[in-house]
Amino acid sequence: EPEVTQTPSHQVTQMGQEVILRCVPISNHLYFYWYRQILGQKVEFLVSFYNNEISEKSEIFDDQFSVERPDGSNFTLKIRSTKLEDSAMYFCASSAEVTATYEQYFGPGTRLTVT
Amino acid sequence: DQQVKQNSPSLSVQEGRISILNCDYTNSMFDYFLWYKKYPAEGPTFLISISSIKDKNEDGRFTVFLNKSAKHLSLHIVPSQPGDSAVYFCAASGLTNFGNEKLTFGTGTRLTIIP
Repeated sequence: EPEVTQTPSHQVTQMGQEVILRCVPISNHLYFYWYRQILGQKVEFLVSFYNNEISEKSEIFDDQFSVERPDGSNFTLKIRSTKLEDSAMYFCASSAEVTATYEQYFGPGTRLTVT
Repeated sequence: DQQVKQNSPSLSVQEGRISILNCDYTNSMFDYFLWYKKYPAEGPTFLISISSIKDKNEDGRFTVFLNKSAKHLSLHIVPSQPGDSAVYFCAASGLTNFGNEKLTFGTGTRLTIIP
């Protein structure tokens, strides 16, 4: 069964450093998303991406964040200068072209620890 | 932002009995609702969904009920099995011009099935 994959599974970085989280969405999907979950809190939407551009972003997704689809398979989230409060699980998700249903399929997540 | 609420942080159910997980929402613009299941160290896994034009959707042991006037939905699992022990998230979405939109998640309910 096709699945969303994410690398690395765990990333430790120092405050102020740049990190890139990588995702390979399901191959025939057209919509891509990043969510995050701070420990003990709810899963929060960060950004959605369609047709090579951001379609929506949340207040969390400030100028320190960027997304890119550098080739036909990868979807990346870059945090330019990490802060302690960026420590969280980051989930990538993808969904197919619009149908009657909206299911988004999630990857296993990358645990980002900023020290 | 409490647009989607799951008021029970935890629920314990005897194996073989029915598990009922509840979710309330406040935003009338939501027109699609989903339930996700999450195990530790994994991403959310899609379970079942329902469109706002329906009041019930069934898939095997899982049934979701939607009461639009009360802005309430519930997930019924029957019979409950030990493998159902996980955190269950209610999520809501609405169609935009882009064809798909972010999911807004509840805080989750930890379901424990007692053998």
